[in-house]
Amino acid sequence: NAGVTQTPKFQVLKTGQSMTLQCAQDMNHEYMSWYRQDPGMGLRLIHYSVGAGITDQGEVPNGYNVSRSTTEDFPLRLLSAAPSQTSVYFCASRPVEGIQPQHFGDGTRLSIL
Amino acid sequence: AQSVTQPDIHITVSEGASLELRCNYSYGATPYLFWYVQSPGQGLQLLLKYFSGDTLVQGIKGFEAEFKRSQSSFNLRKPSVHWSDAAEYFCAVIGGRRALTFGSGTRLQVQP
Repeated sequence: NAGVTQTPKFQVLKTGQSMTLQCAQDMNHEYMSWYRQDPGMGLRLIHYSVGAGITDQGEVPNGYNVSRSTTEDFPLRLLSAAPSQTSVYFCASRPVEGIQPQHFGDGTRLSIL
Repeated sequence: AQSVTQPDIHITVSEGASLELRCNYSYGATPYLFWYVQSPGQGLQLLLKYFSGDTLVQGIKGFEAEFKRSQSSFNLRKPSVHWSDAAEYFCAVIGGRRALTFGSGTRLQVQP
């Protein structure tokens, strides 16, 4: 089982460049979310989605866009990268019914120079 | 808004010793609580969860956690630590938006 797959695993960008972080899951989970992990701050929610066509902002949404055209995919876009967006990004998914643990991808380590 | 506090940033224990990682939460309603473990360069793996019922929950890898509503705590324990337990541990609560709110993590180092 693939679970939650994130690509790429590593990326270096220059300030002002754009990029899309990919996330795909094969568990038919309606709920998907993006987190960023920074030292000493745990994981913070960027955006989330409860199903295709439905997205909403999390705790730290500024500088990021998302869309959800299919159940499987939930890409995260940086339109104009800034050094403050240097972080490790995690995608997660779970069923939307009830309270279920989230399944996490292995992360994308992003550096903005 | 909900919050999670892990007061210990870094803990070092000897292999074979017992372990307790502290977690305090703030949430107005019934909390749904989780412990995750993250090995270096890896994603997060669920250790255990508490939704309701028995306040002592068992997880994988020999871990357990006890929910204490009166203390707003959900501490993680293991009777005998193995070198492979060295990792970062995160406590989390489901709150608004039904998303996870994480603590800042506790890094565990195991001495031989």
